[in-house]
Amino acid sequence: SAVISQKPSRDICQRGTSLTIQCQVDSQVTMMFWYRQQPGQSLTLIATANQGSEATYESGFVIDKFPISRPNLTFSTLTVSNMSPEDSSIYLCSVDLLSYNEQFFGPGTRLTVL
Amino acid sequence: GESVGLHLPTLSVQEGDNSIINCAYSNSASDYFIWYKQESGKGPQFIIDIRSNMDKRQGQRVTVLLNKTVKHLSLQIAATQPGDSAVYFCAEIAGTASKLTFGTGTRLQVTL
Repeated sequence: SAVISQKPSRDICQRGTSLTIQCQVDSQVTMMFWYRQQPGQSLTLIATANQGSEATYESGFVIDKFPISRPNLTFSTLTVSNMSPEDSSIYLCSVDLLSYNEQFFGPGTRLTVL
Repeated sequence: GESVGLHLPTLSVQEGDNSIINCAYSNSASDYFIWYKQESGKGPQFIIDIRSNMDKRQGQRVTVLLNKTVKHLSLQIAATQPGDSAVYFCAEIAGTASKLTFGTGTRLQVTL
């Protein structure tokens, strides 16, 4: 399996500011993903973080709002830019360990925007 | 803090009874399905999966049934325990991209 940590675990931010969320995995993984889970809702995929190239964004999500970095095979960051209260959500990273044929999720970052 | 599953449908089950959680999916091209359990304050945790060439798969106390004709997936939990209380999501993957599409989720509440 994989052990995934996220920082920060939670934050309260002012509108108009930006927050960078870190995701660290204890082993090298090819595929990393970022999801958003709005209050009381299901998870929605934001983007696939590709090592060595630009992230691949899903419909409704853009790089200017959610820039992603993937500098190596164990680490990724997601930035939530120019935040508004509608960005208040839990943000989760996940990794796909193909040898295990399942995705493992981090504990999530709970963001509240005032 | 905000609770996971605050606005999701809730299934209340008495401890010791069996639970059945249902999920409808929309993509007929999906070929891999997974059930996740999410406890408050945690990320989703893998429970069991099933490929589209199967209609049933059993794990420890859990069984997943897949009906491709009506695009329906169910999770059965035998002898439900208080520790099973959580939000349960089905998820599907189409193709090889490993991108998960999650269902709406069901909150399972186990009563004593």
